[in-house]
Amino acid sequence: DAKTTQPPSMDCAEGRAANLPCNHSTISGNEYVYWYRQIHSQGPQYIIHGLKNNETNEMASLIITEDRKSSTLILPHATLRDTAVYYCIVRVVSSGTYKYIFGTGTRLKVLA
Amino acid sequence: GAGVSQSPSNKVTEKGKDVELRCDPISGHTALYWYRQSLGQGLEFLIYFQGNSAPDKSGLPSDRFSAERTGGSVSTLTIQRTQQEDSAVYLCASSSRGSYNSPLHFGNGTRLTVT
Repeated sequence: DAKTTQPPSMDCAEGRAANLPCNHSTISGNEYVYWYRQIHSQGPQYIIHGLKNNETNEMASLIITEDRKSSTLILPHATLRDTAVYYCIVRVVSSGTYKYIFGTGTRLKVLA
Repeated sequence: GAGVSQSPSNKVTEKGKDVELRCDPISGHTALYWYRQSLGQGLEFLIYFQGNSAPDKSGLPSDRFSAERTGGSVSTLTIQRTQQEDSAVYLCASSSRGSYNSPLHFGNGTRLTVT
């Protein structure tokens, strides 16, 4: 019962910006959007999260639409090491507990 | 500092045997999660601990699966009478409830193969 939908795969040229979309049209007002990535044979790595404002850190930027029904993760200058599966997650609050529901993600391939 | 540690990194077992998977969370993290990832799939939630209690066990696929956490730290996931469909990577993650927005930090998982 993932609350997000993402394209299964994307390609991006090395050095260009990678823009990864995510649809979360059923998100509730207090649910945060998180982004993780997973490189082969490793555990998922946290990238960034936000509620309604755009966010930026040393890894990426997160743009959330005003209605909060979708977001975009931006890797400003993609490198070959950014090749990974990227997961967009809505953190659900239920009975005082937090549940992170992962979908199947977007497989990003950065091309030389 | 040290991240989430899981052991063993790989486990091969025969069908019908019991296995125990261990997770050492980041020191001071009160929340602990177990996920399962089958080949080429996304992550499937199994169970969540807050301290030593498990308020959400909704993801455990059958009564062959159980988990415990002692001392608010180390957690063990036990699978009894393993079946071939249990083959997957089992991932553990922890977070600090001290910060409302604290993200999950994952270990590198235990790859379980049931032959």
